[in-house]
Amino acid sequence: ETGVTQSPTHLIKTRGQQVTLRCSSQSGHNTVSWYQQALGQGPQFIFQYYREEENGRGNFPPRFSGLQFPNYSSELNVNALELDDSALYLCAATRASGTSTDTQYFGPGTRLTVL
Amino acid sequence: QKEVEQNSGPLSVPEGAIASLNCTYSDRGSQSFFWYRQYSGKSPELIMSIYSNGDKEDGRFTAQLNKASQYVSLLIRDSQPSDSATYLCAVMYSSASKIIFGSGTRLSIRP
Repeated sequence: ETGVTQSPTHLIKTRGQQVTLRCSSQSGHNTVSWYQQALGQGPQFIFQYYREEENGRGNFPPRFSGLQFPNYSSELNVNALELDDSALYLCAATRASGTSTDTQYFGPGTRLTVL
Repeated sequence: QKEVEQNSGPLSVPEGAIASLNCTYSDRGSQSFFWYRQYSGKSPELIMSIYSNGDKEDGRFTAQLNKASQYVSLLIRDSQPSDSATYLCAVMYSSASKIIFGSGTRLSIRP
């Protein structure tokens, strides 16, 4: 049990639609990272939020955006969905202080299918 | 060039034997190294973290780090069928907070 939860578990959307995925974690986890994992691949870093601000971004287009709230919960928003966006989306939470970052623990993921 | 490289496998090991999983990385500034286990359809589960050169043991698992060779490995002793999964090597860089994952090695433990 990592203390990180994600919703929904599964989601089916059509091309061009927009989707919002949610993540919450236990108190003290002030940093959240989002990853996209396509079938047969390792997780790919999308972006990270620390204290409600984006703190690093991977090679994903601007239609992938996020938010972190004061209670450290987070959202991943994807606009104009494409077929290739079909993947497992993982949220990972950790506690960061200064220049050090603790180990990231993953939530169960959201399986997004784009038709 | 991929930043974290793993052999995709599958790696087949008899039950009770030692499974050896390997990973190389490209950035010499890397500070933190992780091994995750991922069962099909599930999210990655942290097995080991290692930060300094040498070996780190935890139960049946031993992580080995060699920063000079930019190489990290995971040994699983007395392999069990429940160890059958994909093992992900992950690296955290010193200048960024993101973690870079390899594509994973599929391990199969045969009875």
